[in-house]
Amino acid sequence: QKEVEQNSGPLSVPEGAIASLNCTYSDRGSQSFFWYRQYSGKSPELIMSIYSNGDKEDGRFTAQLNKASQYVSLLIRDSQPSDSATYLCAVNPTTGNQFYFGTGTSLTVIP
Amino acid sequence: NAGVTQTPKFRILKIGQSMTLQCTQDMNHNYMYWYRQDPGMGLKLIYYSVGAGITDKGEVPNGYNVSRSTTEDFPLRLELAAPSQTSVYFCASSYGPPDGASYNEQFFGPGTRLTVL
Repeated sequence: QKEVEQNSGPLSVPEGAIASLNCTYSDRGSQSFFWYRQYSGKSPELIMSIYSNGDKEDGRFTAQLNKASQYVSLLIRDSQPSDSATYLCAVNPTTGNQFYFGTGTSLTVIP
Repeated sequence: NAGVTQTPKFRILKIGQSMTLQCTQDMNHNYMYWYRQDPGMGLKLIYYSVGAGITDKGEVPNGYNVSRSTTEDFPLRLELAAPSQTSVYFCASSYGPPDGASYNEQFFGPGTRLTVL
């Protein structure tokens, strides 16, 4: 079983604050990691992917990967109400052709 | 360029009925996937395909069948519907495997909401 764990939340932050979302995974050999955003009733859309240890920044989003501790996180700076959604972590294990999703963290940004 | 399209959007089945969920992509992607998402849960992979004529099981394949006769189409077949198959089904496609490269991003269709009563 390739386990991906996320805190289901809900997580509430005020507008303009930093939202921090965390994900841990069980397969130590996992290669690549993804954060998806899913609005209620919609399909997931990719926000970030990361496969090297450290930070990767894209606009207000920063993904952080620590393979030794087996966790990946997503920081959202200057949170906006439009960021209110469920954030899904996905991990590509050593087998390569598929990946496994966590259950998602619900984020609400309060105006 | 329509991306990934799925039909139908909604469907109600009775126990024991059969149906096919359609998925088509127009991006010339090699990889295609079927996921199901139960309420409040993440996505579980049912089946995937790395090219026409090649399919493989994911985490939860029982009760489903797939085929991939063309690059564009990847239908999912439910033979004997059961209440446990009530879920939202997403089809996705990508050029290559999910290795983190930007050109291998998975694109999702809008989903099919299936209820089995």
